[in-house]
Amino acid sequence: EVHLVESGGGLIQPGGSLRLSCAASGFSVTRNYISWVRQAPGKSLQWVSLLYSGGSTYYPDSVKGRFTISRDNSNNTVYLQMNSLRADDTAVYYCARVLTIPGNSYSYYMDVWGKGTTVTVSS
Amino acid sequence: QSVLTQPPSVSGAPGQRVTIACTGSSSSIGAGYDVHWYQQLPGTAPKLLIYGNNNRPSGVPDRFSGSKSGTSASLAITGLQAEDEATYYCQSYDSSLRGFVMFGGGTKLTVL
Repeated sequence: EVHLVESGGGLIQPGGSLRLSCAASGFSVTRNYISWVRQAPGKSLQWVSLLYSGGSTYYPDSVKGRFTISRDNSNNTVYLQMNSLRADDTAVYYCARVLTIPGNSYSYYMDVWGKGTTVTVSS
Repeated sequence: QSVLTQPPSVSGAPGQRVTIACTGSSSSIGAGYDVHWYQQLPGTAPKLLIYGNNNRPSGVPDRFSGSKSGTSASLAITGLQAEDEATYYCQSYDSSLRGFVMFGGGTKLTVL
């Protein structure tokens, strides 16, 4: 069975750093795309990173230069390194497996989600 | 403000049919990019409901269906049940923003 389990969230002061982990089971992170998606309290979902199986990474402008997605092939785990954290980064962070529809440009969708880990940025 | 616009809320009685609209633009849905839908029950992670505009993953009841036309897409739920009460999100791509994964603002469905 396919599972994703996030960890690493917590309370961090503004300007601090945090690394989230996403442990995958039932499939290989090296042969799949993985995304991190966050949800601020009472708000919608917001995409924060995408890691291609080939290693390319993508970010929205809101986190570019501050967040880095990476993976550990031997542990089948994906990470999200978050630096220069701000209060508006406070959210539940989910990792998700991303699938694509062959032949359809940019048809990314998330078929498996973890339960999420909470990040609170506050002094 | 989301690139994809959804009504904040919809409601319906058990057994009824409801639709949730997702309005994009000429650089997102109108450009032919696929729309996907997710269901989020309170306090839980989102769950994939529809992918590629109108495809249901295994295990999703056929009461849920998706469609797309022009710059908009819709999620329809027939035979409404109490367990359908949740927030629903549409998702697509926007070429003007190079936003690989863009979500709508979400629609809270209340089953009366």
